[in-house]
This record gives sequence, structure tokens and C-alpha cells, in this order.
Amino acid sequence: GAVVSQHPSWVICKSGTSVKIECRSLDFQATTMFWYRQFPKQSLMLMATSNEGSKATYEQGVEKDKFLINHASLTLSTLTVTSAHPEDSSFYICSARLLREAKNIQYFGAGTRLSVL
Amino acid sequence: GENVEQHPSTLSVQEGDSAVIKCTYSDSASNYFPWYKQELGKRPQLIIDIRSNVGEKKDQRIAVTLNKTAKHFSLHITETQPEDSAVYFCAASIEGYSTLTFGKGTMLLVSP
Repeated sequence: GAVVSQHPSWVICKSGTSVKIECRSLDFQATTMFWYRQFPKQSLMLMATSNEGSKATYEQGVEKDKFLINHASLTLSTLTVTSAHPEDSSFYICSARLLREAKNIQYFGAGTRLSVL
Repeated sequence: GENVEQHPSTLSVQEGDSAVIKCTYSDSASNYFPWYKQELGKRPQLIIDIRSNVGEKKDQRIAVTLNKTAKHFSLHITETQPEDSAVYFCAASIEGYSTLTFGKGTMLLVSP
């Protein structure tokens, strides 16, 4: 159990277009999901916390109008990179928090590699 | 906020040797410390975690130790194998309240 699906796994787009990335918890409900950005050979940088039914909480320095997050259901969060530019090219990973027996564990999606031309 | 330091950034060992990765954290309220393994281009996978009510936890060839007083925790891998080669991340959080703060990662290379 505890599978997180992320789609697409790879996307190439032209500069100025918007890209939507989906993160789904397949076999559990996740009131909280997280979006990370990872540069080559670097750590996971938290971008925002996505809460079902409410606005996302963005980390300092992350533009909320640039990276739109919607958590419309207990199993789906989406990240939309609006008006993408080459500097937005990166590996984006989501995770979903599973609450079980008063413990919470994060399970990660497989990531989306975004290349903006 | 929490700050997690991880060392070393790279670690090369021979197959069969042991590997140790160390992390320190700054927030004494943190009580949950997971370790993730990330193979190239793949998702981070939880390999072991420890909570502050215990000092050590083992799972076959991997073990994690926690020193709450010193605010550091370590990952120990014994009898390393080439398939252990990956980037390992430590993290810390206040379980149920805060987000995970990750260390910068350790690239482990196990040579046959």
C-alpha cells in the first residue's frame, strides 16, 4: 500500500506555456501533500504544502502566482507552472502524508522532469 | 525553523564494508527522523525511520541511531552491496505538526 502516482513523468514545453503536474495517492487519503523541487545532485527543496480544501502554504521565495497548487480532493493535488521559462526547468516531486496509528509518513511520487525550451 | 546538516556529501566504499552517514538537527522539538534512499532519476524511498522515544532501530543490514542530547542521528549500512549505491537523505520533523526538513544528501558509491 501507500502508493503515490505522479503524472506526467517528463514534459517538454515552449517558453511561456503552462504545465500541469498531477499527484495522486492511489490507496489512501491524503489531507496533506507536498511539492518539492530538486536540482541535479541537490537535495529536495520544499516549495509548498498542499492542504485539501484550503489554500496551499508556500515556502519563502516561492512565487504563488507562478506555481499554482490545487488540492481539490483527498487523493489529488495539482501543481501548475504558469508561463514557464527555462529557469523553471527542474525535477518536481510530490509527496503525500499518510496518517496511520498516530504516525505520519511521507510517500513520494516518481517525479516530473520539466524542460522548458 | 529546523536546520539539518548531513555528512559526508559523498562516500565511497568497497563491497562488504560498512557505511555511516551522519546528520545533526537544530530543533530540539523534532521527534521524527526518517531516512530516504533515492536512486538516480527515481523517487525517494523511505528505508528506515526512528522516533525520539528510542535510541536505535535495526532492519537487516541497516540501522539508525539517535542521540537526542547531542541532536544527531546516523545511518549505518553493513555488508554494503553495489545496489546500495544511491543518494541518501536524512530528515527531521515534529511528527504531525511540521514538514520534513531534509539534509543535503550523501551520494554512496559501493564498488564491487
